[in-house]
Amino acid sequence: QLQLQESGPGLLKPSETLSLTCTVSGGSISSSSYYWGWIRQPPGKGLEWIGSIYYSGSTYYNPSLKSRVTISVDTSKNQFSLKLNSVTAADTAVYYCARRSGMATIKAFFDYWGQGTLVTVSS
Amino acid sequence: QSVLTQPPSVSGAPGQRVTISCTGGSSNIGAGYDVHWYQQVPGTAPKLLIYGNINRPSGVPDRFSGSKSGTSASLAITGLQAEDEADYYCQSYDYSLSGWVFGGGTKLTVL
Repeated sequence: QLQLQESGPGLLKPSETLSLTCTVSGGSISSSSYYWGWIRQPPGKGLEWIGSIYYSGSTYYNPSLKSRVTISVDTSKNQFSLKLNSVTAADTAVYYCARRSGMATIKAFFDYWGQGTLVTVSS
Repeated sequence: QSVLTQPPSVSGAPGQRVTISCTGGSSNIGAGYDVHWYQQVPGTAPKLLIYGNINRPSGVPDRFSGSKSGTSASLAITGLQAEDEADYYCQSYDYSLSGWVFGGGTKLTVL
């Protein structure tokens, strides 16, 4: 059974860099059939796609966050990571990592999710 | 403000049928992009409920069904059960935004 687990600091100060890692177990991140992504959910609000990465390193980012986001992959550790620069209180959210199935954009969906990790930005 | 519009809340009694709509536009659902649905029990991660407009992953009861027409999609739940009380989100792709988008979510209350 595929499992994803987020890890990283839960409390940041404004202007700091958010860094999270997703560890994939029960399957290979190097599979040619999937992308891997980050999605966040502010408290009491809806879901927002942040970005996705392929095992080769190819990335897609939400245009609204693109200037501050970097997603990378480490196939040797079966992990992928998220960095979000210059955080503000508006970046306070539960951050989920997920597997994206459906290689074609027209069909893509997220079928396996991590449990999520709350990141709070506060001075 | 999401480009996919869902009603904030719906409710129904046990055993009843409810539907949740997801209204998009010409740059997402209307452009032919598939619609997918997720169920989120408060405090837990979203769970894939319907993919590719109408398909259920293994383990999802057939009480859940999806449909798509034009610029909208719907999730139907029949034989409502107390355990169905959760938030439901639709998801698709929007080419004008160049990214995957979610609806604002619908809270289902089982009366």
